[in-house]
Amino acid sequence: GQQLNQSPQSMFIQEGEDVSMNCTSSSIFNTWLWYKQEPGEGPVLLIALYKAGELTSNGRLTAQFGITRKDSFLNISASIPSDVGIYFCAGPFLQGAQKLVFGQGTRLTINP
Amino acid sequence: DTGVSQNPRHKITKRGQNVTFRCDPISEHNRLYWYRQTLGQGPEFLTYFQNEAQLEKSRLLSDRFSAERPKGSFSTLEIQRTEQGDSAMYLCASSLGDRHQPQHFGDGTRLSIL
Repeated sequence: GQQLNQSPQSMFIQEGEDVSMNCTSSSIFNTWLWYKQEPGEGPVLLIALYKAGELTSNGRLTAQFGITRKDSFLNISASIPSDVGIYFCAGPFLQGAQKLVFGQGTRLTINP
Repeated sequence: DTGVSQNPRHKITKRGQNVTFRCDPISEHNRLYWYRQTLGQGPEFLTYFQNEAQLEKSRLLSDRFSAERPKGSFSTLEIQRTEQGDSAMYLCASSLGDRHQPQHFGDGTRLSIL
């Protein structure tokens, strides 16, 4: 079945640094979603992308829908301690499908 | 806060017991989803409802699992004869039925099987 591969699996950075992570698939996606999950909580939607090439920002977060439709990128600028968590990419399993398939996540740790 | 609400937040039970979880979606969201998440993994789809109709079930949803959404509002997920492998976080999400309406998740029910 479709799989989403996220990299890196974990990141250890200093506060204030910029962060980049990506998500790739062997299949085409028509929607890319980025979620953040903190311990003991459910995933929280950060950014939704619906068009190839689309670049969308949410505060210090910027995500892009890759032109090939097989990848997406998430950048965080000037990281702060509350950015700590696990970031997941997700997309519909099939075009028009309702169920989402998730990547395995990128765990972000920030040293103050 | 009118987000997705799940209860209980934590459930500890002995192997072989039955458990039931409840999900209250965001009001007026006609789609409701159940996912399961194990440690170190992303959520995995279990099933979804549009209004009261259960439209899709994953192969992960064995015959010991049953989900209902009787009035098209809240939903319950029941696991019968629990097994060790059922230990996981069970997440509920909801969305509107329109195109490009993303799923919003609750904080989940963490199930631990002794």
